[in-house]
Amino acid sequence: AQSVTQLGSHVSVSEGALVLLRCNYSSSVPPYLFWYVQYPNQGLQLLLKYTSAATLVKGINGFEAEFKKSETSFHLTKPSAHMSDAAEYFCAVTRFNDYKLSFGAGTTVTVRA
Amino acid sequence: DGGITQSPKYLFRKEGQNVTLSCEQNLNHDAMYWYRQDPGQGLRLIYYSQIVNDFQKGDIAEGYSVSREKKESFPLTVTSAQKNPTAFYLCASSIGPGQGTDTQYFGPGTRLTVL
Repeated sequence: AQSVTQLGSHVSVSEGALVLLRCNYSSSVPPYLFWYVQYPNQGLQLLLKYTSAATLVKGINGFEAEFKKSETSFHLTKPSAHMSDAAEYFCAVTRFNDYKLSFGAGTTVTVRA
Repeated sequence: DGGITQSPKYLFRKEGQNVTLSCEQNLNHDAMYWYRQDPGQGLRLIYYSQIVNDFQKGDIAEGYSVSREKKESFPLTVTSAQKNPTAFYLCASSIGPGQGTDTQYFGPGTRLTVL
């Protein structure tokens, strides 16, 4: 079974500062990992995904994530936060040819002017 | 414009009533999913369907029912047996099994409130 732990339910950053959201996974087989973003009262939008190719994955809106097998981590970063980055972010894990996507509890990001 | 639509956006229900949430996709995806979202709990899978006329229970199927009569439609009924139905409900779709890494795409959600 796969599972995901997101460290920190709330993160507050200043505009222009680094955004770092932490995700650790547990999987008995090679994982496939996703980051989604959710704005208030909206659905989830895919930011990026790791599918066993390059370990550094670039996504939309300037976000990127690095897969580290030794640390079982898939942390999401953005060098410079923008006010529009205020949202809730979810990490999710699955495996090859599996229907089931297991989500973390989410991290809410607030951006201070 | 391809995508997933959910209706209504907001839904109010009296206790003891069944309600049906609509989910339609025009992405030609085989697989469709229903999730429930509660604050601080992430998303939990209610039901999923990998092909027309077939569906499977997810982690929290009790009190819910679905049908999959058409490829593009996957309605969810919240029955009176669901003890705490107030939540945000999200529908998703993906290309389908056997397609490698199957990315799920989400609709805008329906917020259900029981009065």
